[in-house]
Amino acid sequence: GAVVSQHPSRVICKSGTSVKIECRSLDFQATTMFWYRQFPKQSLMLMATSNEGSKATYEQGVEKDKFLINHASLTLSTLTVTSAHPEDSSFYICSATPFHGGELFFGEGSRLTVL
Amino acid sequence: AQRVTQPEKLLSVFKGAPVELKCNYSYSGSPELFWYVQYSRQRLQLLLRHISRESIKGFTADLNKGETSFHLKKPFAQEEDSAMYYCALSGQGGANNLFFGTGTRLTVIP
Repeated sequence: GAVVSQHPSRVICKSGTSVKIECRSLDFQATTMFWYRQFPKQSLMLMATSNEGSKATYEQGVEKDKFLINHASLTLSTLTVTSAHPEDSSFYICSATPFHGGELFFGEGSRLTVL
Repeated sequence: AQRVTQPEKLLSVFKGAPVELKCNYSYSGSPELFWYVQYSRQRLQLLLRHISRESIKGFTADLNKGETSFHLKKPFAQEEDSAMYYCALSGQGGANNLFFGTGTRLTVIP
């Protein structure tokens, strides 16, 4: 099956710094990628839909200035957590699909810890 | 608004016993329903989707629009079925933005 890779898998940062997480589709082109957030023992919450070459669509309650999403190419989307705070500590997961309505392939996730 | 409910956080069954993981949904239109599975230390992966009407690894799920349910079933559980199972809903006919339930951790006891 198709492969989606996230980097880094773990990151620890100080409060107030910004952190960038990359999501790459390794063997297919993805016009759309999705970013999720998962708190411990809770479900995945869709944060935003990342569209190549255009602005991301954010879900209600997600601060677009806090979570910057850039989808610069058909194989790469980045999530930047700006001015991170301890409450931003979470597991961030991306997914991508080769075509609209196709199967979603998930990355392995990135665990962010903000001290 | 869409909602996916998985009432059981934990479910344990003995090997060879039938298993049913419950999922109920709320959506005003015609949703597409999925089951995703996450084995230990692995990423989420699609198990099955209702439009495919297929059996994967012995699992089946039938969409019941009257009861707004999409329960996952397997007649004989295996140890390798132990995993986290998420029911998910996609709205707007073919859209990929998924809304997940809270998940059910299935443990199959040898």
